[in-house]
Amino acid sequence: LAKTTQPISMDSYEGQEVNITCSHNNIATNDYITWYQQFPSQGPRFIIQGYKTKVTNEVASLFIPADRKSSTLSLPRVSLSDTAVYYCLVGDRGGSSNTGKLIFGQGTTLQVKP
Amino acid sequence: NAGVMQNPRHLVRRRGQEARLRCSPMKGHSHVYWYRQLPEEGLKFMVYLQKENIIDESGMPKERFSAEFPKEGPSILRIQQVVRGDSAAYFCASSRQEVETQYFGPGTRLLVL
Repeated sequence: LAKTTQPISMDSYEGQEVNITCSHNNIATNDYITWYQQFPSQGPRFIIQGYKTKVTNEVASLFIPADRKSSTLSLPRVSLSDTAVYYCLVGDRGGSSNTGKLIFGQGTTLQVKP
Repeated sequence: NAGVMQNPRHLVRRRGQEARLRCSPMKGHSHVYWYRQLPEEGLKFMVYLQKENIIDESGMPKERFSAEFPKEGPSILRIQQVVRGDSAAYFCASSRQEVETQYFGPGTRLLVL
């Protein structure tokens, strides 16, 4: 079971780029890296998923080095509405590490200030 | 395309009462998952169901909790004889296949007085 480690909290200001790094030293060959975002009082929302190198969508970019032991979620030009908890998961294409289960850690609480 | 629906959004129960939480998956999704989030904690997996089958209930407390996903209608998470420690947000997610992205509902916030 690949375990992930990410910072508990981060602060940023509006307009800045935010990079959240997740460590997953024991990632398996078939594992994908998936990120979810959770706003207060809402369910988690899928942001992005990748296997290697770089993935970009309308919300974020995901950078994965060649050894895949870590990954970095990059949020360009954050706004106050990006204040949320960001979870890094390692597992199959659904993000699960065990038969459909998503295993959420504590996540990274991002606070964006004006 | 409507997302995952959960109702009620808020539920207040007194100790000893029963709580029934409902989840309607996204259209075309036949896999349903329930998670619980205690205050100031991360989400914890409870149970994984397909239509009429429980696939994995390893995260569900052995007593008082049950879940079903009938052939017709929503998935139901049932908590009997609630206690204060059951107060939490309960989230339902669904996916089209097992190894596909899970989409979450808005959650049901249960408060046990």
